[in-house]
Amino acid sequence: DSGVTQTPKHLITATGQRVTLRCSPRSGDLSVYWYQQSLDQGLQFLIQYYNGEERAKGNILERFSAQQFPDLHSELNLSSLELGDSALYFCASSFSGTGPYNEQFFGPGTRLTVL
Amino acid sequence: AQSVAQPEDQVNVAEGNPLTVKCTYSVSGNPYLFWYVQYPNRGLQFLLKYITGDNLVKGSYGFEAEFNKSQTSFHLKKPSALVSDSALYFCAVRDREDSSYKLIFGSGTRLLVRP
Repeated sequence: DSGVTQTPKHLITATGQRVTLRCSPRSGDLSVYWYQQSLDQGLQFLIQYYNGEERAKGNILERFSAQQFPDLHSELNLSSLELGDSALYFCASSFSGTGPYNEQFFGPGTRLTVL
Repeated sequence: AQSVAQPEDQVNVAEGNPLTVKCTYSVSGNPYLFWYVQYPNRGLQFLLKYITGDNLVKGSYGFEAEFNKSQTSFHLKKPSALVSDSALYFCAVRDREDSSYKLIFGSGTRLLVRP
């Protein structure tokens, strides 16, 4: 158990809908990262938050957004869902306080199925 | 641009034999390098990382990796494979010059250890 929790584990929804994925980082970790894992794209970085502020953006679609709250949990919002958004979404956290070499700890993921 | 290549989709090895999972990287600066393992229906687990210093890095579960700067490689090794090592392995890189702390992952290599 990495200490990173994600809810829900599974999500099945229809095209055009909006969903919210939730992540709680390890205690003490200030950075939260979101990744998407799909068969055709592999593991791709979406976005990073550090202590409530956006730090970096990767291949995140405009239909997707995220935020990190004062208690450091994070939510990833996916809207106008398309079939191609079906994937495993991972949240990871790291301390980041002493440098960028700290490993990231991954949650179990949320499997999103868009029908 | 940063990239990671894992040239083998699958590696097959007999239990008790040594294993190697290959990884090469491309970054503009100096790299931080990581190996993660993913078991079915689980998140990614950190195995080991290279920051600086000794080119041979030891990690969890008896795994080690060798950093070779001239060949831009970071191959994962284990002297004696176990059936329980069967899983999906990901190599990842972070460029030290990149102000973002994001990880760039390879496409993954499935390791199958037969009894």
